[in-house]
Parts: sequence; structure tokens; C-alpha cells
Amino acid sequence: LAKTTQPISMDSYEGQEVNITCSHNNIATNDYITWYQQFPSQGPRFIIQGYKTKVTNEVASLFIPADRKSSTLSLPRVSLSDTAVYYCLVGGGKAGGSYIPTFGRGTSLIVHP
Amino acid sequence: DTEVTQTPKHLVMGMTNKKSLKCEQHMGHRAMYWYKQKAKKPPELMFVYSYEKLSINESVPSRFSPECPNSSLLNLHLHALQPEDSALYLCASSQDFGLAGGNEQFFGPGTRLTVL
Repeated sequence: LAKTTQPISMDSYEGQEVNITCSHNNIATNDYITWYQQFPSQGPRFIIQGYKTKVTNEVASLFIPADRKSSTLSLPRVSLSDTAVYYCLVGGGKAGGSYIPTFGRGTSLIVHP
Repeated sequence: DTEVTQTPKHLVMGMTNKKSLKCEQHMGHRAMYWYKQKAKKPPELMFVYSYEKLSINESVPSRFSPECPNSSLLNLHLHALQPEDSALYLCASSQDFGLAGGNEQFFGPGTRLTVL
């Protein structure tokens, strides 16, 4: 099962771009990389998912280098409402091919005025 | 409808009580999940149902008993819980449950459980 490592916390200011990097050195060939956002006392919310290179949607971009041992979530021009915990998940598998979604410690992002 | 609903929002129970948490989705998803989340910790997977069959039980104590009556509903029956079981219980669903984990999970708002 691919383990993920993220910074515990980050601080930023409104209007800045924020990049959160996740390390996953033992990612498997078929694994996807998925990022979730969670506000206090709410369920996590899907942000973006990718397999390789770059993925972009209306809220974020995901950069994945060729070796796929890390990934970077990029949030353009953050606002106060982006203050949340961000989790990186990597698809893993037990024998039999099941995917066990495993949340790491996450990165607590605080955006200041 | 891209929503997962959970009831109740809050639950307080004694250690001898029996209660149930409910989760519902109408997105046609075939995989449903229960997670437990303690304060300032990440969600921990408890159970996974795939096509209404229990696929994963992450060594959860028997005082937690999941049930999937149909493809849209997921219950978690609680009995003889301990104070340390107090947590936010999250339900999620995804289109399928299989290799590579390429399926986006949709989470409900959770049930805040307090065991006295």
C-alpha cells in the first residue's frame, strides 16, 4: 500500500498561489493520485485526480512528474474560504485487487487576509 | 443528485444503548463506505460494500455492525459502544470499487457521535 507524506501545515495569503506537495515513493503502476479538501466537521470533498503529467479543472491543477513518486496540488489565487485540510490519496491494493482508500495526515492550509 | 445524506447529524448514546446511523445516495453508485474520524485526525476506513456485499472490514470491533439493505442505503448499527468510540462517522459512495482507486468518492456530512 502506497504511503503518502505531506507537510503538516502551510500558511498563505489571499490572492497567492499555493502548492502542496505529496510524496508517494512506492506508488504502484496502476495507482491514481487523488486530492480531497475537508472543512471542520464536514465530509471530505473531491478536488482533483490524476495519473500522470498534468491535470487541471476549475478549482486546481495537479502536477505529476514522470517517476510519479510525488505530486503537487496547485491552488491558484487562494481566498479565505480555501482554509481547510488537504489530503492526498494514492490508490493501493491488497491481494485480490481491492482498493483501500487510506488518508494520510493531510496538510492544514491557513489563508490569511 | 450528487449528494450523500446521513442521519442523524448528532447522536448521544449511553454505553448500553443500541442505535443506528443511516446513509443514503441516489447516484447509482455501487460502492459505499463507512469511515471514522477523530478530532484533528484523518478519516479511517471501517467498511466497504461493493454491489451490496461486504468487501472490506478493516478489523472493526463487532460492536459496529454494517448493513446494506439495497444499493442506495447503508446502515451502521451500534451496540455497547465505549466512550472512545465518540467521533465523526462519515459515509461515502463511489461509482465502483476496484483496481487502482480511480473512483472519486462522494462524502456525506457525517454523524457526530458522543458515547457517554
